[in-house]
Amino acid sequence: DAGVIQSPRHEVTEMGQEVTLRCKPISGHNSLFWYRQTMMRGLELLIYFNNNVPIDDSGMPEDRFSAKMPNASFSTLKIQPSEPRDSAVYFCASSGTVGGPQHFGDGTRLSIL
Amino acid sequence: GIQVEQSPPDLILQEGANSTLRCNFSDSVNNLQWFHQNPWGQLINLFYIPSGTKQNGRLSATTVATERYSLLYISSSQTTDSGVYFCAVEGFGNEKLTFGTGTRLTIIP
Repeated sequence: DAGVIQSPRHEVTEMGQEVTLRCKPISGHNSLFWYRQTMMRGLELLIYFNNNVPIDDSGMPEDRFSAKMPNASFSTLKIQPSEPRDSAVYFCASSGTVGGPQHFGDGTRLSIL
Repeated sequence: GIQVEQSPPDLILQEGANSTLRCNFSDSVNNLQWFHQNPWGQLINLFYIPSGTKQNGRLSATTVATERYSLLYISSSQTTDSGVYFCAVEGFGNEKLTFGTGTRLTIIP
C-alpha cells in the first residue's frame, strides 16, 4: 500500500516567492497533519484536519501560512510571501482513526534564500 | 501544554549491544507513540502504546501511564538502528501530538 506522499521533496526559492507544498494521505485515513521540523524548535504541529475540516490551526506561525484540504485525498500548505526563517523540513502525516497511529510522508526540505 | 522529556539525549553503542530509551511526560495522556527518524530523515512509526507492553522483533516498548513514563528497548542493536528516536504524546480531547526532543542513537560496527 502507498504511504503518505509529499511533493516536492526539495524546494529552493527566493524570499518573497509563494511556496506550495502538497500531500496525499493514505487512502481511507480521515485525519491529516502538517508538521515543521527545525533544529531550534524540533517537530511542531502546524495544523490538522479531520474529515477535510481544519480542527486546530493554533500552530500556524502567522498569516503568511495557510492550509487547505479540498478533498479526502489532497492537502496543500502554502506560504506567501516566504521568508528565510521558513526554511525547514515540512512533514505531512495521516491517521486512520481519531487519536490513532500517525504515519508520516518523507517530508519536503524547503530552503528560502 | 504537556511536557515531554527524553533521555539520554545521545547514545553511542557497539553493534550487538542492548539499549533502553526513556520518555517522561508531565500529564495524563490519551496515547503515546514512538518514532524512528533514520539518517535520511524519514519518520517511521514504531509503536502506538498508550499503556502496556508491545514487541516487534528486536524492539519492544512499555508505557506505565499512571507513572507517566515509557521505555523503548532495543536489543542486539544493528547499524541500521542508528538515527533519532522520538516519543510523542497526545493529551485528552484532541489529536495533537507533542514530540520530545529525541534520543540520538549511533551504532558503531
